[in-house]
Amino acid sequence: QVLLVQSGPEVKKPGASVKVSCKASGYTFTTYAMNWVRQAPGQRLEWMGWINADNDNTRYSQKFQDRVTITRDTSASTAYLELYSLKSEDTAVYYCARAASGWDAFDSWGQGTLVTVSS
Amino acid sequence: DIVMTQSPDSLAVSLGERATINCRSSQSVLYSSNNKNYLAWYQQKPGQPPKLLIYWASTRESGVPDRFSGSGSGTDFTLTISSLQAEDLAVYYCQQHYSTPHTFGQGTKVEIK
Repeated sequence: QVLLVQSGPEVKKPGASVKVSCKASGYTFTTYAMNWVRQAPGQRLEWMGWINADNDNTRYSQKFQDRVTITRDTSASTAYLELYSLKSEDTAVYYCARAASGWDAFDSWGQGTLVTVSS
Repeated sequence: DIVMTQSPDSLAVSLGERATINCRSSQSVLYSSNNKNYLAWYQQKPGQPPKLLIYWASTRESGVPDRFSGSGSGTDFTLTISSLQAEDLAVYYCQQHYSTPHTFGQGTKVEIK
């Protein structure tokens, strides 16, 4: 079955960077896109961007355009989200979510990674 | 950005009764070339990631009970739970994936009356 397993919780100081991983199994990694979505406490889900795991094309939300990078390692069937210049408002659970393409619904989700930004 | 607005924010329904959640998008999410509405519904239980229930506004994801149904087109959509079960206690989100950023509604919390 499809499984997306994310890396563990992180605690970072303001201004630092964080890199979250999402290891996929149970399907051919390069035939799907991977999205990243975050959920701050009490807030709605917020889409950050996606990567086409086949051709490495990416698209980002303008809100995060300047400080986010999404990459993938096809040999490891793993996608990564890196967020820079962290602020306290970036404290959230970060999810990876698979989709058939960048324009499809998200049919499988990782378990989530809590990133806490605190001085 | 397309703004997604759900109503109500919460609702309490008796077991076995119908629950109806509405979602409105600030612009149409119907793609005319394929006549598909780029609208999905997700269920999120406490401490869990969201789970896809409905895509293309009305297509039930594999394994989702048939008491869940989606309807609507253009800018107005509805998720209906025909006979609420105890395990349906959750927050429900609509999402448009018509244009980026793919935006979500604020969520509707379904409680048992």
